[in-house]
Amino acid sequence: KAGVTQTPRYLIKTRGQQVTLSCSPISGHRSVSWYQQTPGQGLQFLFEYFSETQRNKGNFPGRFSGRQFSNSRSEMNVSTLELGDSALYLCASSTVRGPITEAFFGQGTRLTVV
Amino acid sequence: KQEVTQIPAALSVPEGENLVLNCSFTDSAIYNLQWFRQDPGKGLTSLLLIQSSQREQTSGRLNASLDKSSGRSTLYIAASQPGDSATYLCAVQLGYGQNFVFGPGTRLSVLP
Repeated sequence: KAGVTQTPRYLIKTRGQQVTLSCSPISGHRSVSWYQQTPGQGLQFLFEYFSETQRNKGNFPGRFSGRQFSNSRSEMNVSTLELGDSALYLCASSTVRGPITEAFFGQGTRLTVV
Repeated sequence: KQEVTQIPAALSVPEGENLVLNCSFTDSAIYNLQWFRQDPGKGLTSLLLIQSSQREQTSGRLNASLDKSSGRSTLYIAASQPGDSATYLCAVQLGYGQNFVFGPGTRLSVLP
């Protein structure tokens, strides 16, 4: 069974540009969450999508947005990039087995803003 | 607001030692607690998940315990190996379908 796939693995963008990251969840998983990881702030929750609807949202500015498609694949978009957006962006897909919700993470996309 | 801390921040041990990593959370009303491993520059690998109604989970040389009332979880690694070197992250899930709140991690080095 394939794991969570994130593309691209690495990105270098210039300040002011926008970027789109992609995440393909494990087959059958309907929930996709996005997290930002930086050395200073650690792992912080961005948002979560379930069946194409944003179900939860973290405390990030509106420049960060996402969407989920009918096949559960998700994209995350960051507009007007700032230097501080440089981070490892991690996607997690989750499955529910009764009361258990277990998260599985992809390898991440390393975004560098210059 | 739920906050998660992990002690120690870094740990270096010789191969073969048994060790304990600690995780504390401020709000005991959690749904699940999950331990992850992260290798440098890589994603997270799930190690163990403990439901809020459980006290511990075991997988191979790993054992995780949960004490909700005191807001603590421990990850016990038996007979450590150099391949165990990584950052270990503790994460609590706030509710059914809710997001995780992560601790800052413990960076473990196991010396051959």
